[in-house]
Amino acid sequence: DAGVTQSPTHLIKTRGQQVTLRCSPKSGHDTVSWYQQALGQGPQFIFQYYEEEERQRGNFPDRFSGHQFPNYSSELNVNALLLGDSALYLCASFTAGQLNNSPLHFGNGTRLTVT
Amino acid sequence: AQKVTQAQTEISVVEKEDVTLDCVYETRDTTYYLFWYKQPPSGELVFLIRRNSFDEQNEISGRYSWNFQKSTSSFNFTITASQVVDSAVYFCALSERMDSNYQLIWGAGTKLIIKP
Repeated sequence: DAGVTQSPTHLIKTRGQQVTLRCSPKSGHDTVSWYQQALGQGPQFIFQYYEEEERQRGNFPDRFSGHQFPNYSSELNVNALLLGDSALYLCASFTAGQLNNSPLHFGNGTRLTVT
Repeated sequence: AQKVTQAQTEISVVEKEDVTLDCVYETRDTTYYLFWYKQPPSGELVFLIRRNSFDEQNEISGRYSWNFQKSTSSFNFTITASQVVDSAVYFCALSERMDSNYQLIWGAGTKLIIKP
C-alpha cells in the first residue's frame, strides 16, 4: 500500500522562474494538503484540495496555486520564485470524513532551492 | 488566535536517559486536537499521537508517554530510556477541527539528539 509520494525529491530553480511540484495521495485518500517548511521551522499550511477545488488557504500570496486531478493527485505551482521560497514542501493526504480514524499522512517532501 | 510553542530548540542527552519535550498551546476553542509528529532526517513527518481536548487521560505507548494538562495548556512528550534511533526533530501541533477543513498549526520543533 503506497503512502504519499512526492516528486521531484530535490529541485533547484533561479529567482523569477516557475516551479511545479507533484503529489500522489495515499491509496484511498481524497483530500490533499500542502505545507511549506522553512529550514529550522515548523510546517506552514499553504492550501487544501478536495473534489478538485481549493477548500482552504493559508497566508500565502497568489503566486502559490494548486490543482487537484480526478485521481486525487495534486500539483503545487509557484510563480515568480523568490529566494524566500526555498524550503521543504510537504504534501499530506487524508480521507474527508474519516479523520477520527486516521491521522494525516505525509510524503517525504520536495526540497526546493531558489538561487 | 491559535499558537503552539516549543521552547526547547535543541536537546542533547546520552542514550538511556529520559527526556521530556515541552509543548504549550493557545486556542480560544473549547474543542481542539493536539498532535505530536516525528521528523527524521529523511524529512517525512511520522504521526505519533493525537489527543482530544475533552480527554485529559495521559497515554503511554512503549517508551513514549504524553502528559496533557488543560490547566496549563501543555501537552508534553516524554521518552523513557532514550535510544539513538529516537534522534529526530519532534513537532507539536494543534487543530481546532477534525472535519475536511482541518489544518494543523505547528510549533517550531525540538531537535532531539541522542548520543551513544
